[in-house]
Amino acid sequence: DAKTTQPTSMDCAEGRAANLPCNHSTISGNEYVYWYRQIHSQGPQYIIHGLKNNETNEMASLIITEDRKSSTLILPHATLRDTAVYYCIVRVAGNTGNQFYFGTGTSLTVIP
Amino acid sequence: GAVVSQHPSWVICKSGTSVKIECRSLDFQATTMFWYRQFPKQSLMLMATSNEGSKATYEQGVEKDKFLINHASLTLSTLTVTSAHPEDSSFYICSARDPSGIPTLHFGNGTRLTVT
Repeated sequence: DAKTTQPTSMDCAEGRAANLPCNHSTISGNEYVYWYRQIHSQGPQYIIHGLKNNETNEMASLIITEDRKSSTLILPHATLRDTAVYYCIVRVAGNTGNQFYFGTGTSLTVIP
Repeated sequence: GAVVSQHPSWVICKSGTSVKIECRSLDFQATTMFWYRQFPKQSLMLMATSNEGSKATYEQGVEKDKFLINHASLTLSTLTVTSAHPEDSSFYICSARDPSGIPTLHFGNGTRLTVT
C-alpha cells in the first residue's frame, strides 16, 4: 500500500471548515483513499473513501487532486465533537487482499 | 449500521496470567476480523487477521504463541494474551469488514489491558 503523509496536528475554530490534507504521491491506479477518525480511547470510525472523484456524505467531503497524489478531507462546520485523530489510508479496495494499515494521522483540535 | 462489540472494555491482570478479549459482530457475519494494538500516543498497529474456520495470519514481529486468536464462529473472534507482562499493557482493538460489500472496516471500542 502507498504511504501517506499527514501533518501531525491542526487546530480549527468551532463552526469553521476543517481542511485536513494528506499526501499519497506513490498511490497506484487501483488504490482508494480512505479516511477514519479516532476519538480518544475509542475505536476508529469510518468517515469516507474515494478513488478519483470527489465524494461527499453526511459527515464530510473528500477532495482528490486530478493526479491523485494528494487529497483533502473537509469537515464543513467543525464542532467540538470533531476533535480526534484523523487517519488517511490508501489501499486496494475489495474484501480480499490488502489490509488497513494506519499511519500517524493528524490530531485535530476544534477550539471553542 | 454494522456494529462490532468488544468485551471487556478494560481489564487488569497480574503478570504471568492470561487474558481473553472477545470481539463480536452483532448484526452481521464476519468471516474475517482484524486485531490491532495501540500504545499511548501512537497509531494503530495491525497484529493479525482472524479467519473463521482457519488459522490466523500474523503480522511480522507478532508472536503467534503469545497472542492466540480463535475465530470459531462467524460472529466471534477471541484474542488471548498468554503469560501477560507489563509491556503487553496496551489498547487492543478489533474490526470486521463491512458486510454490505463497501470496502471498509467497522471497529469495536477497544479493550484497555493493564498488566501489573
